[in-house]
Amino acid sequence: DVKVTQSSRYLVKRTGEKVFLECVQDMDHENMFWYRQDPGLGLRLIYFSYDVKMKEKGDIPEGYSVSREKKERFSLILESASTNQTSMYLCASSSTTGLGGEQYFGPGTRLTVT
Amino acid sequence: GNSVTQMEGPVTLSEEAFLTINCTYTATGYPSLFWYVQYPGEGLQLLLKATKADDKGSNKGFEATYRKETTSFHLEKGSVQVSDSAVYFCALPLSSYKLIFGSGTRLLVRP
Repeated sequence: DVKVTQSSRYLVKRTGEKVFLECVQDMDHENMFWYRQDPGLGLRLIYFSYDVKMKEKGDIPEGYSVSREKKERFSLILESASTNQTSMYLCASSSTTGLGGEQYFGPGTRLTVT
Repeated sequence: GNSVTQMEGPVTLSEEAFLTINCTYTATGYPSLFWYVQYPGEGLQLLLKATKADDKGSNKGFEATYRKETTSFHLEKGSVQVSDSAVYFCALPLSSYKLIFGSGTRLLVRP
């Protein structure tokens, strides 16, 4: 069965801390994505990666960076966490050869920055 | 460019009621269309899909028909259950690997 896992379900960090959110997929997918989900704003794409070491900015990349050193792992980094980054973060993956746009999601990490 | 609009929620229904959640889209050509569902405390999961015009996607009693004449992909279920309470997202591809999602419609089913 297809599986995307995220390192934490809940995380509480202080303002100014460096935060790492990890995502791992076991489907050998080429594409991986980080979204944030906020009430009334739906899902917004932060960054995505279409290959190891390759990345592209999404709609709201400011304040975030990403790392993809291995095909199965995609990390989201908050260099200096701020309270406006309190949100639900969702990781997803998809196959280049699959049906265009069919993505598989992890359970999400609810991050609170105090 | 591609875009998707879905009805705002919340939608509150009694168990066994009929459900419709509207979704309309604008797109170049005839892209695949998707409905995703997010149960409380979980990530999104694909509910159903349609790959071409006039296709009907179905899963778990839910159906949606790809209608190019009205550029719509409305989600329907004949008899909802309490366990269907969730947020539903309509989606279509923005590129070969990026999706654009609607804003989500929360469904609450009361016993």
